Amino acid sequence: GQQVMQIPQYQHVQEGEDFTTYCNSSTTLSNIQWYKQRPGGHPVFLIQLVKSGEVKKQKRLTFQFGEAKKNSSLHITATQTTDVGTYFCAPSGTYKYIFGTGTRLKVLA
Amino acid sequence: DGGITQSPKYLFRKEGQNVTLSCEQNLNHDAMYWYRQDPGQGLRLIYYSQIVNDFQKGDIAEGYSVSREKKESFPLTVTSAQKNPTAFYLCASSTGVNYGYTFGSGTRLTVV
Repeated sequence: GQQVMQIPQYQHVQEGEDFTTYCNSSTTLSNIQWYKQRPGGHPVFLIQLVKSGEVKKQKRLTFQFGEAKKNSSLHITATQTTDVGTYFCAPSGTYKYIFGTGTRLKVLA
Repeated sequence: DGGITQSPKYLFRKEGQNVTLSCEQNLNHDAMYWYRQDPGQGLRLIYYSQIVNDFQKGDIAEGYSVSREKKESFPLTVTSAQKNPTAFYLCASSTGVNYGYTFGSGTRLTVV
């Protein structure tokens, strides 16, 4: 079955530093979504990537889908304390999404 | 405002009792999902439903049951057969598999 690995599992950064999380799949993906979950909260949909090599930006967040559609990344430029939370990638499976294990980001002020 | 409502937010039950978690959406979404999240872990799919009166098992369906009698509602019953039911339960809905999920605020179930 489809396996999704996210790295790193945890990341602590100083406020203002950049942050990147990677999502790797054992199989080619049709599309992938990214979610953010604040501590104690619920996941919130950020974006969906569909095309090979696609790059999308949301303010300080840059999302990329690999050329082979087997990996994806989320990069945050100049982190802020509001970026704290767990970031999940979610590749689509048959009729449902499979969530990765997530990367927990802690931003130190 | 449209959204997805889970109730209650916190639930305590004695071991051996069945308990039902509510999930209601007014987004007119066809698909609904139940996920379980354990501390520091990702989300694992319990059940999902693409249309009314139809639902499918996810990866960890044992010990759980669902119904989808109305488009707006997708209640989850945690039965006494679930060996480790204490967890954070999240309900979600979407227009379809290629659209983003909208999650409810979750129910934290503690079985003592």
